[in-house]
Amino acid sequence: EVQLLESGGGLVQPGGSLRLSCAASGFTFSSSDMNWVRQVPGRGLEWVSDINPAGGNIFYADSVKGRFTISRDNSKNTLYLQMNSLRVEDTAVYYCAKDLTGWGCFDYWGQGTLVTVSS
Amino acid sequence: DVVMTQTPLSLSVTPGQPASISCKSSQSLLHSDGKTYLYWYLQRPGQPPQLLIYEVSKRLSGVPDRFSGSGSGTDFTLKISRVEAEDAGLYYCMQSIQFPRIFGQGTKLEIK
Repeated sequence: EVQLLESGGGLVQPGGSLRLSCAASGFTFSSSDMNWVRQVPGRGLEWVSDINPAGGNIFYADSVKGRFTISRDNSKNTLYLQMNSLRVEDTAVYYCAKDLTGWGCFDYWGQGTLVTVSS
Repeated sequence: DVVMTQTPLSLSVTPGQPASISCKSSQSLLHSDGKTYLYWYLQRPGQPPQLLIYEVSKRLSGVPDRFSGSGSGTDFTLKISRVEAEDAGLYYCMQSIQFPRIFGQGTKLEIK
C-alpha cells in the first residue's frame, strides 16, 4: 500500500524557517517524480515544486523560488521541502504527491501538514 | 503561465442526475508527443485531493465509470453521468504541459 506521510509543519514567525519531510512507502520511491502542493485553508490548490527521481531536475513556483528548496534522499525514501524567509502568505497545508508519469499525474497524496506563519 | 478557468464555480445536483464541469486553458495543452496534459482531481471535505482523470479522458484505476473526461486543445469537460452522494467536493482541473503546474480555481459540487 502506497503511503506518504508529511511532517514538520507548525507555527513559525515571518522570516523564519521550517523543513517539511514526506516519508514514502509502498512504491519504488527512487523511480518516482515527487511534488509539493499547498492549499491555503478554504482556498484552492497551488503547485509548489517538483523533483525528478535522481534529484537533478527541479522546478519551483515563482512564489517560492529562491526561498524554498526541494530535495530527496532516495536511501531514506524521503522527500523534503526546506522553507526559508517564510511569509504570512505561505500559511497553508502542504501536501506531498507522487507523480505516476512525471507529467503532473499525482496518483497518491499525503494527508498534508499545516504550516502557519504568524507573529 | 497557462491560465486555467473552470465553470461553474459551484453547482448543486440531485442524486442520479448528471453534472458537467468545464475547464478552459489559455494555451493548448497538446504536447508535441501527442499527449494532452490535462488532469481532473476531486477533493472531498477534509481529505487530500485524489486523481480522477489523466490526459483528458483516462480514468485512474478504481475511479467509477460514471466519471468521464473529454475535450482537446484548450477546452475540456468533466462529466458525471449520475451523481452520487460521495461525489460531493471540490473538483480541480490542472495543466502540466509546462511548469508551473496550474490548477483551476475549483468547482464545488453540492449534492441536493
